[in-house]
Amino acid sequence: NAGVMQNPRHLVRRRGQEARLRCSPMKGHSHVYWYRQLPEEGLKFMVYLQKENIIDESGMPKERFSAEFPKEGPSILRIQQVVRGDSAAYFCASSPLAGPYEQYFGPGTRLTVT
Amino acid sequence: AQKVTQAQTEISVVEKEDVTLDCVYETRDTTYYLFWYKQPPSGELVFLIRRNSFDEQNEISGRYSWNFQKSTSSFNFTITASQVVDSAVYFCALSEGVLNTGFQKLVFGTGTRLLVSP
Repeated sequence: NAGVMQNPRHLVRRRGQEARLRCSPMKGHSHVYWYRQLPEEGLKFMVYLQKENIIDESGMPKERFSAEFPKEGPSILRIQQVVRGDSAAYFCASSPLAGPYEQYFGPGTRLTVT
Repeated sequence: AQKVTQAQTEISVVEKEDVTLDCVYETRDTTYYLFWYKQPPSGELVFLIRRNSFDEQNEISGRYSWNFQKSTSSFNFTITASQVVDSAVYFCALSEGVLNTGFQKLVFGTGTRLLVSP
């Protein structure tokens, strides 16, 4: 039973390029959460999605960041025109239902902006 | 706003010592959930425990135990007879607004780095 999959595990981008981070939730999970972990900090909530819907994006920067979770395929976190401050680990989590269920985390994508 | 404080930035112990990681939280919700996650050097997040606000019973799982005290808003984590493999960053987290929104977003503390030396 595969866990949450994220790819790539490591991503290097130059300033101004686009970064696309992918997350495949656990089988049977239709709720996806994205968190960002800046160096030496805890994780911070970015966005919560269900299939084809963004439910809460209150933690997402207003510009350059977007997320989607299409009917088919993985959830995508997209960062346009990356800047050095975007360097962080981005974690995806999934749960089977909304509500107070365990969120199972993927291994994270470590984005480095040079 | 909800907040989780892990005042201990780093703790170093020698193998077989017991160690307690502190977690203090703030919330206005009457129903909430608390979590502990482990982040080993490899970087992934490993779920350890979830506790709801109505259940103040302490929990023990092998060498791990958790002490939840609503009166002091604390959810501390103790590792008994620590081992080198316990070396990791440990995060305490609080779920926010579940009853209002129908879903939870986790608010994390800044983590405690535990170093266990042989």
